[in-house]
Amino acid sequence: KNEVEQSPQNLTAQEGEFITINCSYSVGISALHWLQQHPGGGIVSLFMLSSGKKKHGRLIATINIQEKHSSLHITASHPRDSAVYICAVEMYSGGGADGLTFGKGTHLIIQP
Amino acid sequence: DTEVTQTPKHLVMGMTNKKSLKCEQHMGHRAMYWYKQKAKKPPELMFVYSYEKLSINESVPSRFSPECPNSSLLNLHLHALQPEDSALYLCASSQVRGMGTEAFFGQGTRLTVV
Repeated sequence: KNEVEQSPQNLTAQEGEFITINCSYSVGISALHWLQQHPGGGIVSLFMLSSGKKKHGRLIATINIQEKHSSLHITASHPRDSAVYICAVEMYSGGGADGLTFGKGTHLIIQP
Repeated sequence: DTEVTQTPKHLVMGMTNKKSLKCEQHMGHRAMYWYKQKAKKPPELMFVYSYEKLSINESVPSRFSPECPNSSLLNLHLHALQPEDSALYLCASSQVRGMGTEAFFGQGTRLTVV
């Protein structure tokens, strides 16, 4: 069983729609990251969360530590939001930074 | 400067070649990472360097050899690769102490082994 589960795997929506991508994890974590990957490969960090909620422009990320669940929301979606959105977690470690464990990603297409 | 710079962007190499991938950051981060990403799959951790010392090797074959000459630079030396090693190789960095710190990724090197 993958330690990080994302849903949906694929999502196609119309411009302007409100988008929600979900992430569940099964291990204790020190932080959860939402990342964006465009075709061509580069990954951009959107949010790093250890509790609560963060907002940046049209993007909102929330995390519920007790339920081991996080959501990424996009308001007023736009075709330029089309990308793969990846949830990744940092697991507890006594040694410091140990790298990220990634979900399989959500392929989002926003149609004009 | 919040960039992680990877070179080259694309690399084609034969199975007998020796090549190196380079990654550089000037954010003062003391943790640097190599990830491998196959098409339509999530990235997988290969190596972690913390304060220029290798702290995790995720059982990567010896044909991949990492090197961290200083706190800003990370190399991945490649030798006798196989076609199945073709992938996107991503470098990332973060602050070491301070669990739960933002990760910064490079644009990746797309490697093709022929």
